[in-house]
Amino acid sequence: LAKTTQPISMDSYEGQEVNITCSHNNIATNDYITWYQQFPSQGPRFIIQGYKTKVTNEVASLFIPADRKSSTLSLPRVSLSDTAVYYCLVGSNTGTASKLTFGTGTRLQVTL
Amino acid sequence: DVKVTQSSRYLVKRTGEKVFLECVQDMDHENMFWYRQDPGLGLRLIYFSYDVKMKEKGDIPEGYSVSREKKERFSLILESASTNQTSMYLCASSFPGTVHFGDGTRLSIL
Repeated sequence: LAKTTQPISMDSYEGQEVNITCSHNNIATNDYITWYQQFPSQGPRFIIQGYKTKVTNEVASLFIPADRKSSTLSLPRVSLSDTAVYYCLVGSNTGTASKLTFGTGTRLQVTL
Repeated sequence: DVKVTQSSRYLVKRTGEKVFLECVQDMDHENMFWYRQDPGLGLRLIYFSYDVKMKEKGDIPEGYSVSREKKERFSLILESASTNQTSMYLCASSFPGTVHFGDGTRLSIL
């Protein structure tokens, strides 16, 4: 089971690019890397998922090096509404349930 | 859109009571999960289920039990509630790929 480690908190100004790195040294061959965003009083919601190299969608990019032992979520030009907790999750993408364990998350604070 | 619905957003119970937290998902997902979330501790897995009547312990199962009698419903049971079980409880379901969460139940044990 891949344990994840993230920074506890980060601060940014509005309009900057924010990069949040997650370490997962014992990631398994079948594991995917998924990032979630959580606002207060809501459940986490899916942002982006990847297996290797780079993935980009309309809200973020995910960079995964060749050894897959870490990943970086990149948020371009953050706004105040991006203030939230961000979780990295490593787990299998197969049909059987894996014990999906989240880390403590990274609290991102965006200010003017 | 996948919908995971938790029966209560806020719940207040007394020490020693038996407490039921209900969760329903509408996408025929096989996998369902219960987490609790406390400040500074992130999301901690209590139990998960990969099929009807099947369950597996998560990282903090002590003081909890679960029930999955139907595929769409996963219940978390506090057999005898204690004050240290005051927390936010999150239910989730998953299809290979992504996990979908409910909005949580904030449970207070007095």
